[in-house]
Amino acid sequence: DAKTTQPTSMDCAEGRAANLPCNHSTISGNEYVYWYRQIHSQGPQYIIHGLKNNETNEMASLIITEDRKSSTLILPHATLRDTAVYYCIVSEKAAGNKLTFGGGTRVLVKP
Amino acid sequence: NAGVTQTPKFRILKIGQSMTLQCTQDMNHNYMYWYRQDPGMGLKLIYYSVGAGITDKGEVPNGYNVSRSTTEDFPLRLELAAPSQTSVYFCASRNQGASGNEQFFGPGTRLTVL
Repeated sequence: DAKTTQPTSMDCAEGRAANLPCNHSTISGNEYVYWYRQIHSQGPQYIIHGLKNNETNEMASLIITEDRKSSTLILPHATLRDTAVYYCIVSEKAAGNKLTFGGGTRVLVKP
Repeated sequence: NAGVTQTPKFRILKIGQSMTLQCTQDMNHNYMYWYRQDPGMGLKLIYYSVGAGITDKGEVPNGYNVSRSTTEDFPLRLELAAPSQTSVYFCASRNQGASGNEQFFGPGTRLTVL
């Protein structure tokens, strides 16, 4: 699986958009970009994934650059409950394929 | 649906003791995974299974064993506990027909080996 690089931490104001960057310059053509988050002491939670098109769901939006070497997760209106560690993961969709979790970005939403 | 459930929530073991961490999912998912997470680190894959009767090693399988006799259950066995196995253990499952690698995680088991 391709490796990802994320900032170690970032702060965000409550009610504002949070933009989380991720670099994955060695991504291959059949690898997807996944975002998970882990709220303190809980199991990771799936947020969103994409291949090359931008994606949006009820939790977030995912913007993938045209060359697919980087992406940005957007939380449109951050709340205090969005404080968590956010993991950007590149993985194939193939059966049984594992997720490789790196260090992630520690996001602190402040009132 | 209860999703992915894990028992126990917490456990303290002495060096050399054995135990089984239980994981059950009620979503009829084919794929199941065991991860461990050391303090301040990301998750590392221990074992995974793509269906009943099929298991395979992940990144850090040494010191652990698994079995998958049913679709619902995927227990993780520690035979001779060591302090290096002090960690939080997460079980996850995934739908074979899902559009991607979306895994659903349990709440975790916090294990301390003294």
